[in-house]
Amino acid sequence: EPEVTQTPSHQVTQMGQEVILRCVPISNHLYFYWYRQILGQKVEFLVSFYNNEISEKSEIFDDQFSVERPDGSNFTLKIRSTKLEDSAMYFCASKSRGYNEQFFGPGTRLTVL
Amino acid sequence: GESVGLHLPTLSVQEGDNSIINCAYSNSASDYFIWYKQESGKGPQFIIDIRSNMDKRQGQRVTVLLNKTVKHLSLQIAATQPGDSAVYFCAENSGGSNYKLTFGKGTLLTVNP
Repeated sequence: EPEVTQTPSHQVTQMGQEVILRCVPISNHLYFYWYRQILGQKVEFLVSFYNNEISEKSEIFDDQFSVERPDGSNFTLKIRSTKLEDSAMYFCASKSRGYNEQFFGPGTRLTVL
Repeated sequence: GESVGLHLPTLSVQEGDNSIINCAYSNSASDYFIWYKQESGKGPQFIIDIRSNMDKRQGQRVTVLLNKTVKHLSLQIAATQPGDSAVYFCAENSGGSNYKLTFGKGTLLTVNP
C-alpha cells in the first residue's frame, strides 16, 4: 500500500540554524500539505501546495518558512532560522485529485535547543 | 471564528464495550468532516469521513454521526479492542478548494482488557 514517507524521523538543531524537513508524498497525488503538532496540542495547518505553488498558508507560516518541490517526488519544508517555539512534530500529507482524504506521513520530530 | 473542539479529553472503556467520542465545531460553512486516529509516535490515520449533506455514515466497526443543527460530530466504535487505544481527532474542511483541515484537540481513548 502506498504511503507518505518523511525524513528524518527526529531532527535536533540549535536555535538560529536552518533545517530542511523532507517528505515523499504518494506518487500520483497532486495536493501537498505541511502540518505541525506541538507536544500535547492539536494538529495545526501550515501550508498547502498545488500546481507548483503555495495555495494557502496559515499565520504560522511566516517568512522563516518555505516549501519546495525540487523534483517529481520530494516535497520539503525549510525553516530558515529556527526558534525554540518551532519544536514540534511536523507532518506532511498528500491528496489526490477528486478525493478528499489526506494521507499523513509518520512525522518528523524537530527539537530546537 | 473557526474552531473544532472536543467535549471529553480522555475516555476509558472495557474491551468489547462500545465507545463514543464527541466533537463540537463552530464553522457552519464546513462541508466535510473526518475522524483521524493517532497512535503514539505516528501520524494521523484516516478512519472515516462524512459530508455535510449526510447525517450518518458507517464503516467497519465505526459510525460517524453529524448533527448540523447543534454542530456536533461523533465517532462510535463498536466492540472496542485494545488496538483501538489511541488519540482520536476530528477535523473539518471549511469548503475551500485547498482542502486544508482544521483539527480538534483530540480525545485519548484507553481500552482496558
